[in-house]
Amino acid sequence: DTGVSQDPRHKITKRGQNVTFRCDPISEHNRLYWYRQTLGQGPEFLTYFQNEAQLEKSRLLSDRFSAERPKGSFSTLEIQRTEQGDSAMYLCASSAPGLQSGNTIYFGEGSWLTVV
Amino acid sequence: QQQVKQSPQSLIVQKGGISIINCAYENTAFDYFPWYQQFPGKGPALLIAIRPDVSEKKEGRFTISFNKSAKQFSLHIMDSQPGDSATYFCAASAGGSTLGRLYFGRGTQLTVWP
Repeated sequence: DTGVSQDPRHKITKRGQNVTFRCDPISEHNRLYWYRQTLGQGPEFLTYFQNEAQLEKSRLLSDRFSAERPKGSFSTLEIQRTEQGDSAMYLCASSAPGLQSGNTIYFGEGSWLTVV
Repeated sequence: QQQVKQSPQSLIVQKGGISIINCAYENTAFDYFPWYQQFPGKGPALLIAIRPDVSEKKEGRFTISFNKSAKQFSLHIMDSQPGDSATYFCAASAGGSTLGRLYFGRGTQLTVWP
């Protein structure tokens, strides 16, 4: 069990460019979450998958954001036409209700995005 | 609207002292209350969690106290150590349709002086 893996860990991009982040959850975890965290704040929920189905999206997830989990394993979060306000740490998390871990949600190390 | 309110925003404690962080919530559907510890540049790591069927849970130096009627819960760190210096987040989630989505407090930055 290697934990939740995120890539890249850091990304600097120019305003208007597109960026994509990848998340590999803990194996056998069927739930996958994306959160966003800015400095001095707690993580804010963006979206959530159960297997390949995207079941919930926050109002924070504007039309420029899209998340996929095509085969129910890894997930990608794409931000189109980035804006400076998108600068944040994007956290991926996973969980496996039904297993011994129950509702425990495990976070990855995050992907830092800086839009210049 | 902040679903979970956390205080204090920052806390300074001497080594060996007790650190206490408080959280309050309004949504009575919440049934899972974890605490996460986060070091700079790292993702949050689960520290300890409680469900409302118990009033207290202890794991090593960390204790959660839960008051269902007051809709409050707190984290106590006994014998605080410099290595405990980090940001602590309380969170809450509900079962059912929200399927475990976590609502986080704003965080408490703990500094433990040696």
